[in-house]
Amino acid sequence: SQTIHQWPATLVQPVGSPLSLECTVEGTSNPNLYWYRQAAGRGLQLLFYSVGIGQISSEVPQNLSASRPQDRQFILSSKKLLLSDSGFYLCAWSGDRSRSSYEQYFGPGTRLTVT
Amino acid sequence: KQEVTQIPAALSVPEGENLVLNCSFTDSAIYNLQWFRQDPGKGLTSLLLIQSSQREQTSGRLNASLDKSSGRSTLYIAASQPGDSATYLCAVWGAQKLVFGQGTRLTINP
Repeated sequence: SQTIHQWPATLVQPVGSPLSLECTVEGTSNPNLYWYRQAAGRGLQLLFYSVGIGQISSEVPQNLSASRPQDRQFILSSKKLLLSDSGFYLCAWSGDRSRSSYEQYFGPGTRLTVT
Repeated sequence: KQEVTQIPAALSVPEGENLVLNCSFTDSAIYNLQWFRQDPGKGLTSLLLIQSSQREQTSGRLNASLDKSSGRSTLYIAASQPGDSATYLCAVWGAQKLVFGQGTRLTINP
């Protein structure tokens, strides 16, 4: 069966510090991968998605970036965090490109607090 | 641009009641629709996926319907239990990505 991992689970970082959040998927190949942010009291905001290694689409201009160095690894980064980057970050994957259902599955999330 | 709306934003009912959560979307050209559950501080759990060619899906006490022509979906929960308390989110698939509603926060009172 497929599983999705995110780490760390919780992170407290000062303003201006760098960020690296990692997401890995097991039990599937060629997944579509997604990063979302959920700010307090707000809905889910899609940040980035990827349909393959090195292929990243950005949904919202911001100081965050994403990379996909391996088929089942997705990384969210920032060079300098802002207070507004605080939130709950969720990684998700959808069925590999050979399947048509595109059901999306989410990881456990990372709670980021920028102080 | 696809927009998804969920009504009500919050709902509180006594245990044992049957209830309906509503989801509407503005663009009927969807690929599929997915209902999720989110517990506080946790990730999203997929409950049901309805493909665009389907009218409904059932899983245990949950039944989701889809009416593409009217841009609506409902999630029916039978015989509600305190453990059903969570936020329920509806999302529709467009090109390569999901568009989410704001969710309905459901509280089941013992």
